Amino acid sequence: DAKTTQPPSMDCAEGRAANLPCNHSTISGNEYVYWYRQIHSQGPQYIIHGLKNNETNEMASLIITEDRKSSTLILPHATLRDTAVYYCIVRLDSNYQLIWGAGTKLIIKP
Amino acid sequence: DGGITQSPKYLFRKEGQNVTLSCEQNLNHDAMYWYRQDPGQGLRLIYYSQIVNDFQKGDIAEGYSVSREKKESFPLTVTSAQKNPTAFYLCASTLLSPTGHYGYTFGSGTRLTVV
Repeated sequence: DAKTTQPPSMDCAEGRAANLPCNHSTISGNEYVYWYRQIHSQGPQYIIHGLKNNETNEMASLIITEDRKSSTLILPHATLRDTAVYYCIVRLDSNYQLIWGAGTKLIIKP
Repeated sequence: DGGITQSPKYLFRKEGQNVTLSCEQNLNHDAMYWYRQDPGQGLRLIYYSQIVNDFQKGDIAEGYSVSREKKESFPLTVTSAQKNPTAFYLCASTLLSPTGHYGYTFGSGTRLTVV
């Protein structure tokens, strides 16, 4: 079973920041949080990952709460090409497996 | 450029036939994975391999088989025992390291349809 819970869908206006929440209340101490996105009928694309600290790269920022029970992916200036399903995933420390949920369908509107 | 290649992109299978999906990577990644995705759903793990000549069952291995004779290749066979094989199949790979964490690289997928 997935270790994460995400809203099934969200809308965001083009040019605004998109904030995608994720709950992972049962995460263990050494398990990382990964974010991927999938555009229709393509393979998922890696976005970012983190353990405890906030992380930022050229695509997005990841904010992880101090208790690690939830996180937020931030796309700072959303474009129409950011429309996709976004998956928040916990990576198991034992065998490096990713446990996938159903994700959040993010629709960027002009 | 390094990457992971799945072929074919589309595959049609008759009832009772076995078919093999190809997955090749030139990233020198240690681990390779096969996932199945049904419409509107997340990915479900079929098989994975962390080392040559060894592989492990995932959550939905029944009706599937794999081999890992070379580090670069991880083909998936969908056998006639798989009763509902129509789905989107994704292959992924990653480096394994106790000191670093690496994302998965995915192929572009194979869409299998039973006719």
